[in-house]
Amino acid sequence: QVQLQQSGAELAKPGSSVKISCKASGYTFTSYYISWIKQTTGQGLEYIGYINTGSGGTNYNEKFKGKATLTVDKSSSTAFMQLSSLTPDDSAVYYCARVGYDGTYYYNYWGQGVMVTVSS
Amino acid sequence: DVVLTQTPSILSATIGQSVSISCRSSQSLLDSDGNTYLYWFLQRPGQSPQRLIYLVSNLGSGVPNRFSGSGSGTDFTLKISGVEAEDLGVYYCMQATHAPDTFGAGTKLELK
Repeated sequence: QVQLQQSGAELAKPGSSVKISCKASGYTFTSYYISWIKQTTGQGLEYIGYINTGSGGTNYNEKFKGKATLTVDKSSSTAFMQLSSLTPDDSAVYYCARVGYDGTYYYNYWGQGVMVTVSS
Repeated sequence: DVVLTQTPSILSATIGQSVSISCRSSQSLLDSDGNTYLYWFLQRPGQSPQRLIYLVSNLGSGVPNRFSGSGSGTDFTLKISGVEAEDLGVYYCMQATHAPDTFGAGTKLELK
């Protein structure tokens, strides 16, 4: 069965970086993109960007350019998102989700989410 | 960015009642490829969002057929024909026609 297993909760200090992971199983990893979504109480769900797991190509929401960096390790079927120069506004739950090349397969599987807390 | 406006923000229902949620877009979601990339999700408390409906009206795998989606252009509706206890949570619409993908603010379905 398809699973997206995300890494554990992070507590980080302002100005630092965190790197969270999303390990895929149960399907051919490079046949689907991985998108990342931020959820906060105030802003709701926000699309961060996606990575083409085959080519490593990326697409970012303008709002998150410079904040998020998406990478992939095909050998371990794992996608990563690094968040840099953290501020309290980056405190949120971050999800990865599988996105197919066809609209039929968009966002039909999600990871369990990673809570990132930025605090001094 | 495309703004999706969901109404109502809170929906109180009894078990067995039929309810509808509206999602209105600031731009037409009909893509030049002929598809309309409008999706519906349910997020139960403490869980990740779960996709219910894709491409306006198609039921996701394993989703009960009491859920249905309809609409076109800028106006879309999710209907639940006979609410069950497991349907409680927050419903979101999402569009992927225009970059970046955007989500509605959510509709919380609660028991009356």
